[in-house]
Amino acid sequence: DAGVIQSPRHEVTEMGQEVTLRCKPISGHDYLFWYRQTMMRGLELLIYFNNNVPIDDSGMPEDRFSAKMPNASFSTLKIQPSEPRDSAVYFCASRLGGSEQFFGPGTRLTVL
Amino acid sequence: GENVEQHPSTLSVQEGDSAVIKCTYSDSASNYFPWYKQELGKRPQLIIDIRSNVGEKKDQRIAVTLNKTAKHFSLHITETQPEDSAVYFCAASKGRGYGGSQGNLIFGKGTKLSVKP
Repeated sequence: DAGVIQSPRHEVTEMGQEVTLRCKPISGHDYLFWYRQTMMRGLELLIYFNNNVPIDDSGMPEDRFSAKMPNASFSTLKIQPSEPRDSAVYFCASRLGGSEQFFGPGTRLTVL
Repeated sequence: GENVEQHPSTLSVQEGDSAVIKCTYSDSASNYFPWYKQELGKRPQLIIDIRSNVGEKKDQRIAVTLNKTAKHFSLHITETQPEDSAVYFCAASKGRGYGGSQGNLIFGKGTKLSVKP
């Protein structure tokens, strides 16, 4: 298995632009998580899904952030419009039930 | 909700010495406590975990202890090596395997461990 796959690995955009981050979880996993990591705030959970259904989105910073999981093998995190303070590394993670949680390689987002 | 505090934020040791990182949690219902290692520029990776039905678990040079009464757990690394240098995160969750809103990990802020040769 290739593990959790994220794209793009790096994204540089200008303030006000729309950004879409993509994630493919490990096949068969029923939980999918989106995290944001910064030096100041550490590793923050933004939202997580169970069987493609959003369970807890209380970590989503504001309405500019949205996440979808249209099927078991794909999820997106969208920021519209983006702002410089959104610059961070965004990780996707997945797991099966109560088993080990695996992280993807992350997307480093820079908003100028 | 759950809150996880992690100390110290930075730790520097000499190669061969031991390193200890401590975490406390607030929700007595938490029953699963993993530790993740994140090397510079890479993803967090699970190195060891413990469930609330045991007090200690070892894996070679790494051990984790859990004190449910005091609601704290610790990571112990013995005979440290330069390749142990990384950021270590503790986490806590409850209801593992049962899904629902109790299934997410709450992470500590991380400890940057530096092992000097």
